[in-house]
Amino acid sequence: AQSVAQPEDQVNVAEGNPLTVKCTYSVSGNPYLFWYVQYPNRGLQFLLKYITGDNLVKGSYGFEAEFNKSQTSFHLKKPSALVSDSALYFCAVKRDAGNMLTFGGGTRLMVKP
Amino acid sequence: GAGVSQTPSNKVTEKGKYVELRCDPISGHTALYWYRQSLGQGPEFLIYFQGTGAADDSGLPNDRFFAVRPEGSVSTLKIQRTERGDSAVYLCASSLIGGRADTQYFGPGTRLTVL
Repeated sequence: AQSVAQPEDQVNVAEGNPLTVKCTYSVSGNPYLFWYVQYPNRGLQFLLKYITGDNLVKGSYGFEAEFNKSQTSFHLKKPSALVSDSALYFCAVKRDAGNMLTFGGGTRLMVKP
Repeated sequence: GAGVSQTPSNKVTEKGKYVELRCDPISGHTALYWYRQSLGQGPEFLIYFQGTGAADDSGLPNDRFFAVRPEGSVSTLKIQRTERGDSAVYLCASSLIGGRADTQYFGPGTRLTVL
């Protein structure tokens, strides 16, 4: 069975500082990895995905993520955080067969001015 | 263009009642998914449609839950004999063709409260 772990319930960072939101996964076969962001009372918004190729993936709003196969990780990063980045972030994985997304429990990002 | 829409945005019902939740996918998307998000948790997969047929319903928790997509566009999630444990946000997503590399685009969700 596939699973995703987001080890931090909350990440606090000062505006202008770099941010990292951690994600590790467990899946049989090749993983397809996704990051979504959720603002209050709104659905999930797609940020970026890793399918194959370059391990560094760039996405929306200046976010990027690095796929590390040996560490089974897909951490989300941004060089300079904005207060408006404060939201709930979800990592998700698809396995080789099937189209369902398996989500982590989410990490709340708080960016303070 | 228009995204995924879901109605109603909020639904309050009493234990034992029947409810229907509607999802309008992005125009032209053949794949449609339902997920359930309980408070403080990530979304959990319920069912996946490819066209009109349910390609994977392995996430439906029991036979009180049923979903249809009769014309390959709009989908309805139906819950019979609701229980308090069914209270959650029900999310719908759609994707272009349902392939592995496809991105799923989510609607705003329906918050279901069972009293």
